Amino acid sequence: GAVVSQHPSRVICKSGTSVKIECRSLDFQATTMFWYRQFPKQSLMLMATSNEGSKATYEQGVEKDKFLINHASLTLSTLTVTSAHPEDSSFYICSARITGRASWDTQYFGPGTRLTVL
Amino acid sequence: SQKIEQNSEALNIQEGKTATLTCNYTNYSPAYLQWYRQDPGRGPVFLLLIRENEKEKRKERLKVTFDTTLKQSLFHITASQPADSATYLCALGTGRRALTFGSGTRLQVQP
Repeated sequence: GAVVSQHPSRVICKSGTSVKIECRSLDFQATTMFWYRQFPKQSLMLMATSNEGSKATYEQGVEKDKFLINHASLTLSTLTVTSAHPEDSSFYICSARITGRASWDTQYFGPGTRLTVL
Repeated sequence: SQKIEQNSEALNIQEGKTATLTCNYTNYSPAYLQWYRQDPGRGPVFLLLIRENEKEKRKERLKVTFDTTLKQSLFHITASQPADSATYLCALGTGRRALTFGSGTRLQVQP
């Protein structure tokens, strides 16, 4: 089956630093990847849609200058949380769609990255 | 505004029984609906997809129904096992856009 990995799985950083999270599709190409954020006992909230070779599309209320997304290849998208603050502490999850697959409506999710900002 | 509601209270059932989870939505016309399983500290795992023109889908011990008139989906796990204990998320989708998730219902199957 399609596998999506994320790195790191956990990160603890000081307030004001930047953190980069990688999302990789291991055995398929993904033109489109999605970044979600999930707070405890809450739903996954879409942050942005990442398209290979073009600018990401951010959801309303998500600061694009704070959450930098780069989708430089068909298997890698990165999310950089710049100048992180404690309120950015959350569980960040990426997902990917298989390019060209007939089942375009199926997304494969990564295992998530737990970010804690002190 | 669009709203997806899942029972926020945990569902506790006895092993061997059928678990039924509910997903209701408003102000939404999804083309398809999906159910995911999420374990603590992990990403969601896809279980089943059902399209707007389908009434029911089955996969092993899982069954999903989709009633676009009631704007409701039911997710059933038959012969439940303690290993089925997890949070189950429903997600709605239209076209090629990202999914919109409910907040999930935690299922606890007692041995």
